[in-house]
This record gives sequence, structure tokens and C-alpha cells, in this order.
Amino acid sequence: DVKVTQSSRYLVKRTGEKVFLECVQDMDHENMFWYRQDPGLGLRLIYFSYDVKMKEKGDIPEGYSVSREKKERFSLILESASTNQTSMYLCASRVGGGKNGYTFGSGTRLTVV
Amino acid sequence: GNSVTQMEGPVTLSEEAFLTINCTYTATGYPSLFWYVQYPGEGLQLLLKATKADDKGSNKGFEATYRKETTSFHLEKGSVQVSDSAVYFCALSRNSGNTPLVFGKGTRLSVIA
Repeated sequence: DVKVTQSSRYLVKRTGEKVFLECVQDMDHENMFWYRQDPGLGLRLIYFSYDVKMKEKGDIPEGYSVSREKKERFSLILESASTNQTSMYLCASRVGGGKNGYTFGSGTRLTVV
Repeated sequence: GNSVTQMEGPVTLSEEAFLTINCTYTATGYPSLFWYVQYPGEGLQLLLKATKADDKGSNKGFEATYRKETTSFHLEKGSVQVSDSAVYFCALSRNSGNTPLVFGKGTRLSVIA
């Protein structure tokens, strides 16, 4: 089975800190995605990547950036954490093509204080 | 644009009751359709999918049929268990290219003994 691993389940950071959320997948998937999940808002796409060194903005990219230097790793960066970025962050990967579903990681619950 | 609308929850059922969670979609062309499940404290897991009209996806007693004429993909289960308590997400994807999935907002199901 494909495994998507997010480095932390729970994270507490201070306002203004630079925060790195790491995601690694082990099945050579081309596509990787970062979402945030908030009550009543569902899943919102932050950034995604079709391949190494490629990135595309999703619906809510403001305040975030990403890095994909290797195919298996997709990092989400909060440049200067703010309290409104307190959320559950979900990483997913997919072999290329729309007929294939995502494999999700377990999520990182980030609290910014 | 593409969008997914699913019934708002929460849905509360007694054990062994019949479950239906409605999902309708708007899309150009003929997308692939998915149901994901999220158990408490976890990431999303693919429950079932259908990639063309009239296909039926099934898994763990859950079923959904891709209805092009009504643009629907309703999730059903004949007899729910307490262990089915979770949040269920309907999603669609264009079959060509690498476009991200579009998710509904999720429906929380609680099954009581």
C-alpha cells in the first residue's frame, strides 16, 4: 500500500514563526497536494505539484509557500505563522491522472499561539 | 466550474438502519467520482469510486452509482454499524490531466447503539 507520511501529528508554534510541514510518499507518485481542513469549510486546496520543482497555487495560497526538490517530498511552509492558520493540514499524493484517487496522510494539527 | 454538493449533517442513525448520503455534482464532461471517509483523528481514506456513467463503486458494504442523468453519486449502506461513525466526503475529478479533486464539505455520520 502507498504510504503518505506527515512528519508531525500535533504542532504548536508561536505567531511569527516560520513553520515547515513535511510530507513524504513512498510510491513514486507524480502529484502531491496540500489541503487545510476547518469545521464548516471542508477541505481547501493550498498548493499542489505535478512533478519535481513544479508547483501550482490552489484556492487559498496566501501566507503559504511550498517546496518540492525531490519527487517523494512535498513541504508546506508558513512564512510567518498567524493564529488564523491554526488548522488541520492534510497532505495527499496521486499517481498522475484524474481517474486515480488520492492517498492521504494522517494530518498535522497545527496550533498557532 | 466543477463543484460538489452533499447533504449537510450531522446525520444520526441507529445501528442497523439504512444510510443514504446525497451527493450531486456540476462538471464539464464526464468526471470520475469518489467517496472518502475520515474517522476521528485521522486523514481521509478512499472508500469507493466510479469512473464512468452507470458504474457502481462498492466497498465495506457501501455502494454508490454514477448517475449521469441526475448528476448524482449517492452513498448507501443497508445496515450501518457504530464503527461507521465518521465524516464522509464526496469528490470529483476530471478524467484528463492532473487537476486536483474537488471535494464536497463533508457529512458527519453518527451511529448509536
